[in-house]
Amino acid sequence: EAGVAQSPRYKIIEKRQSVAFWCNPISGHATLYWYQQILGQGPKLLIQFQNNGVVDDSQLPKDRFSAERLKGVDSTLKIQPAKLEDSAVYLCASSPAGQQNSPLHFGNGTRLTVT
Amino acid sequence: AQTVTQSQPEMSVQEAETVTLSCTYDTSESDYYLFWYKQPPSRQMILVIRQEAYKQQNATENRFSVNFQKAAKSFSLKISDSQLGDAAMYFCAYRSGISGGSNYKLTFGKGTLLTVNP
Repeated sequence: EAGVAQSPRYKIIEKRQSVAFWCNPISGHATLYWYQQILGQGPKLLIQFQNNGVVDDSQLPKDRFSAERLKGVDSTLKIQPAKLEDSAVYLCASSPAGQQNSPLHFGNGTRLTVT
Repeated sequence: AQTVTQSQPEMSVQEAETVTLSCTYDTSESDYYLFWYKQPPSRQMILVIRQEAYKQQNATENRFSVNFQKAAKSFSLKISDSQLGDAAMYFCAYRSGISGGSNYKLTFGKGTLLTVNP
């Protein structure tokens, strides 16, 4: 089966600019996650979708970050305006719905550098 | 909220030797799942092994095994016959056993960087 696809692989922007990341989960996976991984730390959940509905966005800085998952498949994560501290790897993951023992499947991530 | 602690920022091992990576977690739940993920420089998180808390038997996947101590809330990963390709960041992760909603998410530790010396 095809894995989780993410693009772009790398992005360099200046602070106060905007950026968007795209994710295509594994076919049939109803649950989609966006994680932020700052250098030297473990991934931190930003937002979780179940189909096209938001399940958990408690850690999403909503003043600058937004995400959507129209039609319950692809998802886009946007940052506007970016800050220096947003420099990180953004990982997208997916999993089947309702399977607690099923692992998350991750994409290769997008490395964002804000200068 | 559940927390996961990996107390070893870095570890090194000689090729063909055995190494153990530590992980402890804090939870008030009795049913949950634990995972070890590997992250090579390619950045993709790859599942290494998983353990269901209700199972007393420690999980094993080829050269990888865990020592799950539920009472101590400890979940260490043992890598036997280490290979150069095992070099990576290793993350321990926790998932609630309560079904539904945000309980499907994984909570990660800070990771351990494993170096394998030839």
